[in-house]
Parts: sequence; structure tokens; C-alpha cells
Amino acid sequence: KNQVEQSPQSLIILEGKNCTLQCNYTVSPFSNLRWYKQDTGRGPVSLTIMTFSENTKSNGRYTATLDADTKQSSLHITASQLSDSASYICVVSASTSGTYKYIFGTGTRLKVLA
Amino acid sequence: EPEVTQTPSHQVTQMGQEVILRCVPISNHLYFYWYRQILGQKVEFLVSFYNNEISEKSEIFDDQFSVERPDGSNFTLKIRSTKLEDSAMYFCASRDGPGQFFGPGTRLTVL
Repeated sequence: KNQVEQSPQSLIILEGKNCTLQCNYTVSPFSNLRWYKQDTGRGPVSLTIMTFSENTKSNGRYTATLDADTKQSSLHITASQLSDSASYICVVSASTSGTYKYIFGTGTRLKVLA
Repeated sequence: EPEVTQTPSHQVTQMGQEVILRCVPISNHLYFYWYRQILGQKVEFLVSFYNNEISEKSEIFDDQFSVERPDGSNFTLKIRSTKLEDSAMYFCASRDGPGQFFGPGTRLTVL
């Protein structure tokens, strides 16, 4: 069964600190993995997208890693800011003959405190 | 930068009423999706649409739901007879490559 698990469920950190969010998946056949940031009451906004052959990808203070062998991904946030407070969702897509399925994780709710 | 837009941002309706949620996907995208997110829960897939027809739908997408692309720009989700449990955020998404782009959502409240 295609599944995406994220941990922790929620996280509180102080402004300026770093943090790492985890995503484990069992999705086949794997196509790509995307991290989204979702502010409360808003739509998800893409942070990074990674394909099978990519190990790491950065977008400013966000760095995503992918280990396709262990089916794990992480999102590292450096020097956190108050505006980083949001839910972070890992979405893994499976592709068969050009058709994509998107499997969503439950998200990690991050709170950054001053 | 092009973006997916949705209207209205918030819709309040009485149980049993019909609602239509509207989306304008990114103009050169060919694949369209509707998702919903009940408060505090994960995003759930409803339906995908390509080449003027439904390509896939979930078990949530029963015969109370329908989608339409009435012209070259809009993509709509209709709920014929709303139930209390339809209260949620509804997100439209579109894509041309492997990654999806989401709209800001419509918050549907059924009273």
C-alpha cells in the first residue's frame, strides 16, 4: 500500500535554531518527492522537488535530502524565522505510463517562537 | 509568476444546498485536480481531470460531486446537496510536468 509517514507530528523551536523534519515512504513506482509549506488556511506552496537520482536540493534556508534506497527524505531548515511557522507536507508521486498519483503525508506542524 | 486562483475564498451554505467552487488553473497546464482538507487532517485526493474528462477519482468523490471545465480557463467542482461533513478546505491544483501547483483554497462551511 502506498503510504507517506512524517515525523515529528509537531515541533516547537526558538527563532534562529535549525530543525530537521522526516519523511518515510512506501510508494511504488516512485517518481518524485516534493516538500510543501502550508500556512494555516492557505494552499500548499512547493519548496523542493526531487527525483530518484537526486540526493539533495536546496531552496534558500531549506535543504531537502533523499535516500531512495531507504525510502527516506528529510527537510532541514536553517536559522529558523518566525515566518517558518507552518505545516510542512511531504508528497510522493508514483508514475505509471505517464499517469501520476500523489500520496500526501500528514504533515509536521512547526512553531517558531521568538 | 503564474498561479492557480480559486473563488470564493470562503463559502457558507445550508445543508442540502448546491455549491460550485471555481478554479482558474495556470494557463498552459493540462492536468487539473481537486483536493479537500478537513480541519486538522491531511490533504485528501478527490478527482483528477485531463482532456475534458475525469481520469481518476477517489471513494470520496461520489455522485454528489461533479467537475466541469465549462470554458478554456475555469475548472469547477459542484457539490449537489451539501452535508455537514463536506465542511473543509477545497484546493484546486494544476500541472504540466510532474509537480503540482496549488491554489489558495476555498473554505466551505456547511451549516
